[in-house]
Amino acid sequence: SQTIHQWPATLVQPVGSPLSLECTVEGTSNPNLYWYRQAAGRGLQLLFYSVGIGQISSEVPQNLSASRPQDRQFILSSKKLLLSDSGFYLCAWNRLTAGAKVGLFFGSGTQLSVL
Amino acid sequence: GESVGLHLPTLSVQEGDNSIINCAYSNSASDYFIWYKQESGKGPQFIIDIRSNMDKRQGQRVTVLLNKTVKHLSLQIAATQPGDSAVYFCAENIRGYQKVTFGIGTKLQVIP
Repeated sequence: SQTIHQWPATLVQPVGSPLSLECTVEGTSNPNLYWYRQAAGRGLQLLFYSVGIGQISSEVPQNLSASRPQDRQFILSSKKLLLSDSGFYLCAWNRLTAGAKVGLFFGSGTQLSVL
Repeated sequence: GESVGLHLPTLSVQEGDNSIINCAYSNSASDYFIWYKQESGKGPQFIIDIRSNMDKRQGQRVTVLLNKTVKHLSLQIAATQPGDSAVYFCAENIRGYQKVTFGIGTKLQVIP
């Protein structure tokens, strides 16, 4: 069965510090990978998605970047964090094949607090 | 687009009653819809999905209804339990495209 791992679970970082959040998927190959952000009590905002190694699509202009160095690894980064980067970050995956479900499956999330 | 700047509406339901959570989707080209449940501090969990060639689909205690004419989706939870308390999101997708767009979510509070 497929599993998705996301870490760390919580992170407190000072303004101006760098960020690296990692997500890995097991049990599948060539997944689509996604990073979402959720502000407290709000909806889900798509930040990045990737359909393959080195292929990144950005949905909103921001202080963050994403990379996919391996097929099942997706990394969210920042060189200098802003206060507005605080939030709950969620990694997700799906795999598009003919007739297959396309529903996203989410990791457990990282609660980032920038102080 | 994604309604990420809005506060979540809340639905309060007595334990044992049926819950109906509604969602209006935006893209008439969407042909696949999903409901998610998100408990506090956790990632969203897949509940049930439906394709646009159907107007109803049933799972265990849950039913999703799709009205393509008015672009409306609903999730019905039978005999609501305290463990159903969570935020529920609908999501839409155009098959063959990677992007899954989420609605603003509804917070369900079950009153014991």
